[in-house]
Amino acid sequence: SQELEQSPQSLIVQEGKNLTINCTSSKTLYGLYWYKQKYGEGLIFLMMLQKGGEEKSHEKITAKLDEKKQQSSLHITASQPSHAGIYLCGADRTQGGSEKLVFGKGTKLTVNP
Amino acid sequence: EAQVTQNPRYLITVTGKKLTVTCSQNMNHEYMSWYRQDPGLGLRQIYYSMNVEVTDKGDVPEGYKVSRKEKRNFPLILESPSPNQTSLYFCASSRPGNNQPQHFGDGTRLSIL
Repeated sequence: SQELEQSPQSLIVQEGKNLTINCTSSKTLYGLYWYKQKYGEGLIFLMMLQKGGEEKSHEKITAKLDEKKQQSSLHITASQPSHAGIYLCGADRTQGGSEKLVFGKGTKLTVNP
Repeated sequence: EAQVTQNPRYLITVTGKKLTVTCSQNMNHEYMSWYRQDPGLGLRQIYYSMNVEVTDKGDVPEGYKVSRKEKRNFPLILESPSPNQTSLYFCASSRPGNNQPQHFGDGTRLSIL
């Protein structure tokens, strides 16, 4: 079965620093989703990538999907304390359907002021 | 406001006492899912539904039941809860297709004593 590996598991950075979180799959990704979760709270949808080589940005967060569609990265520029939380990548298990998602175990981000 | 609503948000109960966690969405989404989130194991799918009266098992369905009698509601039923079902539960909904992100509720923290 498809699994998503996220790295690093946790990350502590100083405010203003850039950082990157990776999400790797052993199989082709049909739809790749990035979510952010505050501790113990719901998941907030950030971005979705579908095409090889695709890149999307929202404010200071950029997500990319590689050409082979097996790895995605989430990059935060000039991090702020508001970026702190758990970042999860999720992927569609089947082509054409979003009913079954598999998730990585998450990356816990701490941003120190 | 488009949202997925779960109730209750918190529940402490005892082994064997049947309980139901409700989930309702107001976006007319076809797909709905239940997940549980546990430390070290990440987010795992329990059951999903592709439409009214259509449900299927996810990765960890044992000990749970679901029903989808109406499009907007997807309750999760624990007939005889046990301590290993202590977890953080999320309901999600989406439209069909690979470019349709799942929208998550705020979560239900369940403790089974």
